Amino acid sequence: QSALTQPPSASGSPGQSVTISCTGTSSDVGGYKYVSWYQQHPGKAPKLMIYEVSERPSGVPDRFSGSKSGNTASLTVSGLQAEDEADYYCSSYAGTNSVVFGGGTKLAVL
Amino acid sequence: QVQLQESGPGLVKPSQTLSLTCTVSGGSITSGNYYWNWIRQPAGKGLEWIGRIYTSGSTNYNPSLKSRVTISVDTSKNQFSLKLTSVTAADTAVYSCARDRTGTFFSMDVWGQGTTVTVSS
Repeated sequence: QSALTQPPSASGSPGQSVTISCTGTSSDVGGYKYVSWYQQHPGKAPKLMIYEVSERPSGVPDRFSGSKSGNTASLTVSGLQAEDEADYYCSSYAGTNSVVFGGGTKLAVL
Repeated sequence: QVQLQESGPGLVKPSQTLSLTCTVSGGSITSGNYYWNWIRQPAGKGLEWIGRIYTSGSTNYNPSLKSRVTISVDTSKNQFSLKLTSVTAADTAVYSCARDRTGTFFSMDVWGQGTTVTVSS
């Protein structure tokens, strides 16, 4: 069970769109529709932003969207706002009642 | 609004056992169909899932930690707990508890603030 691969950093200007990737294998991301994305501001608890690849919990702005192709999932943040600057983590069900997380991506709003 | 709060010693000596408790408030730990998870995050690193428990007592553990981890639940106190044995410096991290609803396959919608545990003599 290896961690999912995310780029260490991403950035964009206010109003722009940015996409963060999350690459796994056919045993996790590619094998199931259970990919989640979390937003974490410094010193704060992670917040669920996306579940089941592309579903948004109540209260999450529709600027946040998720998708998956093969073994890679993606989180897109459209209309970037200053408050979106945070760390983002993906996770995927990995079979046999286990989950694996990504290493995290630090999103900077320039 | 369900809230989770971790508690336990902030400093543990190498080779000893790390013990933490997560207290659930704002709702019963047995209401709804939820799993109760432990996750950790070493400083500057990503999240690592440790394991989870259902209120029936059924558990699932990260294979890499399974030999050292025990998660238990005390429904009378609305709490669940983590024990990690034979700790080393590599176990130094922020430990958090979180819940996920059955059928969502680990989509964790409520998290505690986390508690820092340092392993040092």
